[in-house]
Amino acid sequence: DAKTTQPPSMDCAEGRAANLPCNHSTISGNEYVYWYRQIHSQGPQYIIHGLKNNETNEMASLIITEDRKSSTLILPHATLRDTAVYYCISRDMRFGAGTRLTVKP
Amino acid sequence: DGGITQSPKYLFRKEGQNVTLSCEQNLNHDAMYWYRQDPGQGLRLIYYSQIVNDFQKGDIAEGYSVSREKKESFPLTVTSAQKNPTAFYLCASSETGKYSNQPQHFGDGTRLSIL
Repeated sequence: DAKTTQPPSMDCAEGRAANLPCNHSTISGNEYVYWYRQIHSQGPQYIIHGLKNNETNEMASLIITEDRKSSTLILPHATLRDTAVYYCISRDMRFGAGTRLTVKP
Repeated sequence: DGGITQSPKYLFRKEGQNVTLSCEQNLNHDAMYWYRQDPGQGLRLIYYSQIVNDFQKGDIAEGYSVSREKKESFPLTVTSAQKNPTAFYLCASSETGKYSNQPQHFGDGTRLSIL
């Protein structure tokens, strides 16, 4: 099962795109990448997942590199309510420390 | 509405007592999970169950026990053997199956404090 690594923190200006990277260099061919976010003292919220094609839904876009060793979650127009900890995980269900995104006015 | 219900939201117990945290889901999911979260940390997997009457240890199972007698219920008991039980406990569920890629759905958590 793949181990994922993410930067501990990032800032983004309100209204701008937030691009959150994740490395998963040991991911196997049939493992999906999942993104969740957690707002303080709540349960994690599912955002999006993908295998090898780029994915988009009403919350975000997921860009996966062709070699599948990394991916980027894109919040196209970040708002203050997007301030949260974002987790990138694979099939092993192990959540690391994630990336703390702070959206600033 | 379909979802996962964890109760209670806050729980206080005296040191040395066992305590059971409830997790119920009405999503008809086969798989259920328990995680522990300490302040400023990520989630750590305690136990998971892929099907009724079966469960596996996660990374930090010592001092915890679970049962899975019904599909919709996966209670977690924090025993007196758990050295530092004060934490935020999260339950999740997902569809499962050999080719399933469905994400986990989480409850709102139970915050356990040992007095």
